[in-house]
Amino acid sequence: NAGVTQTPKFQVLKTGQSMTLQCAQDMNHEYMSWYRQDPGMGLRLIHYSVGAGITDQGEVPNGYNVSRSTTEDFPLRLLSAAPSQTSVYFCASSYGGTPPTDTQYFGPGTRLTVL
Amino acid sequence: SQELEQSPQSLIVQEGKNLTINCTSSKTLYGLYWYKQKYGEGLIFLMMLQKGGEEKSHEKITAKLDEKKQQSSLHITASQPSHAGIYLCGADHRRAASKLTFGTGTRLQVTL
Repeated sequence: NAGVTQTPKFQVLKTGQSMTLQCAQDMNHEYMSWYRQDPGMGLRLIHYSVGAGITDQGEVPNGYNVSRSTTEDFPLRLLSAAPSQTSVYFCASSYGGTPPTDTQYFGPGTRLTVL
Repeated sequence: SQELEQSPQSLIVQEGKNLTINCTSSKTLYGLYWYKQKYGEGLIFLMMLQKGGEEKSHEKITAKLDEKKQQSSLHITASQPSHAGIYLCGADHRRAASKLTFGTGTRLQVTL
């Protein structure tokens, strides 16, 4: 299994540009999440999904869109990039369930710089 | 997040010494997850704790969750250079592993 994969690894955007961060997992996980990591602030949840066709907002959703058309893929879209979105973005997936019996598995991250 | 406090923020220890990292939650924990992050890389899962008083060990790393399920500690015995990195605790406050709240991390350096 490849686990959780993310592309690209690095990206530089200009203010106002749009782009999509790709995330895929091959573990048949129902739950997928997007986090951003900023210095001194830890990881913060942007959006999450509990299954194909179901998404919801996390702690910092403004400026980002997500969709989940398949179990495997969970892309994150930046509609109009701003310098405040400069960060490292992590995608994660897990089996789910209540209570969860497994942890989240994280991708390697995408380092985004917005000029 | 103020819901989850991690301490210390950074730690420098000599190789062979023991160390402890703490994670304190303002809410009851349904699950507490410990991760390690190498600089510039993704998160590597270490351990998950769910029951009050639970303790888990892997090699030289031991994690505990207190009886009240609001505090966890990560203890490394006889530290090695390979232990260096950032240690993050993630809290499940809502019975949903997809929505973890993370601490700000502890940066560990191990000197020779």
